[in-house]
Amino acid sequence: DQQVKQNSPSLSVQEGRISILNCDYTNSMFDYFLWYKKYPAEGPTFLISISSIKDKNEDGRFTVFLNKSAKHLSLHIVPSQPGDSAVYFCAARETGNQFYFGTGTSLTVIP
Amino acid sequence: NAGVTQTPKFRVLKTGQSMTLLCAQDMNHEYMYWYRQDPGMGLRLIHYSVGEGTTAKGEVPDGYNVSRLKKQNFLLGLESAAPSQTSVYFCASGRPRRGWTEAFFGQGTRLTVV
Repeated sequence: DQQVKQNSPSLSVQEGRISILNCDYTNSMFDYFLWYKKYPAEGPTFLISISSIKDKNEDGRFTVFLNKSAKHLSLHIVPSQPGDSAVYFCAARETGNQFYFGTGTSLTVIP
Repeated sequence: NAGVTQTPKFRVLKTGQSMTLLCAQDMNHEYMYWYRQDPGMGLRLIHYSVGEGTTAKGEVPDGYNVSRLKKQNFLLGLESAAPSQTSVYFCASGRPRRGWTEAFFGQGTRLTVV
């Protein structure tokens, strides 16, 4: 049973608007959460992280929000750019080395 | 800087054949990982290593073996390939951050077992 879920396989957004990608998890012991971005024919690359002791982390156009009571994570991209078109994976870790990944959301930013 | 390099990029195997996937990193990272990605599933950890000479099982280790004889290389072996092992395999090396480890991924190996 998947501990990390991304229920939206795809999302389309107009250039300049906000993209919101969502992620839900079941394990309340997760202590770090990450977002990775993946272009076709490439491996995933790290985008942004958040610790379970925080509820927000911002890096330029990217902001991750964590709602522990709802076991929900979201990534906001503002403003969205065509180069943001990629598959986005959320990942979560219980203390140790193993991260559990979601199934990914394919974001298309329309010029 | 090449980062993480996986060899080969594509491979077709017949059921029962064996093969080894090679992962090489030039970032001097202690941690290395092998993941598989299947449709409708997230990346799932097969095996990982926290340093030269060490290996550990991940979430889906059955049917695979690994070796980390040199710090820069992490090998994934399939002794007797099965169609269920058709997947895209990603290797990663890990850089310690404050409290967690950032993974740097290779480009992936697309393996088809017929």
